Amino acid sequence: DTEVTQTPKHLVMGMTNKKSLKCEQHMGHRAMYWYKQKAKKPPELMFVYSYEKLSINESVPSRFSPECPNSSLLNLHLHALQPEDSALYLCASSPDEGGSSYEQYFGPGTRLTVT
Amino acid sequence: GQSLEQPSEVTAVEGAIVQINCTYQTSGFYGLSWYQQHDGGAPTFLSYNALDGLEETGRFSSFLSRSDSYGYLLLQELQMKDSASYFCAALYNFNKFYFGSGTKLNVKP
Repeated sequence: DTEVTQTPKHLVMGMTNKKSLKCEQHMGHRAMYWYKQKAKKPPELMFVYSYEKLSINESVPSRFSPECPNSSLLNLHLHALQPEDSALYLCASSPDEGGSSYEQYFGPGTRLTVT
Repeated sequence: GQSLEQPSEVTAVEGAIVQINCTYQTSGFYGLSWYQQHDGGAPTFLSYNALDGLEETGRFSSFLSRSDSYGYLLLQELQMKDSASYFCAALYNFNKFYFGSGTKLNVKP
């Protein structure tokens, strides 16, 4: 199984809502990532988990809260978002075993619209 | 984050060869990857260079020169389905991947 799955595919939420994005992989990868991608722009790194511990937070606002319940799952909790947070949110994983971390597998993304 | 530069758009005809360049910052650099992304889709991994030189994977090849902080993706025998955006992505310390600005490739018949 070389697939990263993400749910939901689409999400519309108001600025006062609380929602969560979910990501799952069963490839035994030990690094997992959240990216934000705006239209016609590159993916921007938000968070990196390595061996279920948060290793990188790229100065992301606290209204985004990541969680890694186990080695296969990654969540992104959303609260009090702004319209400018509307974007495609991509999850990715990579092996993180010495020299083999270079290939990232991406999920299909969650298209988020904040109204 | 780190800054990686790519041309914004390239146009070529079917069957041709095209090269997409990428320059990156060197501090903490481990290696350079390339990803393809079709409109509405997720990025998919194409190639990776940790060492200087050329890596060949079918119609796609990638090159790295650490001394020049430069790499490129070479696409041969272009097909219409190769029309997509191509991103270089540099790996830095602590599993940090930073993506280049992206190159939109238009393949014409």
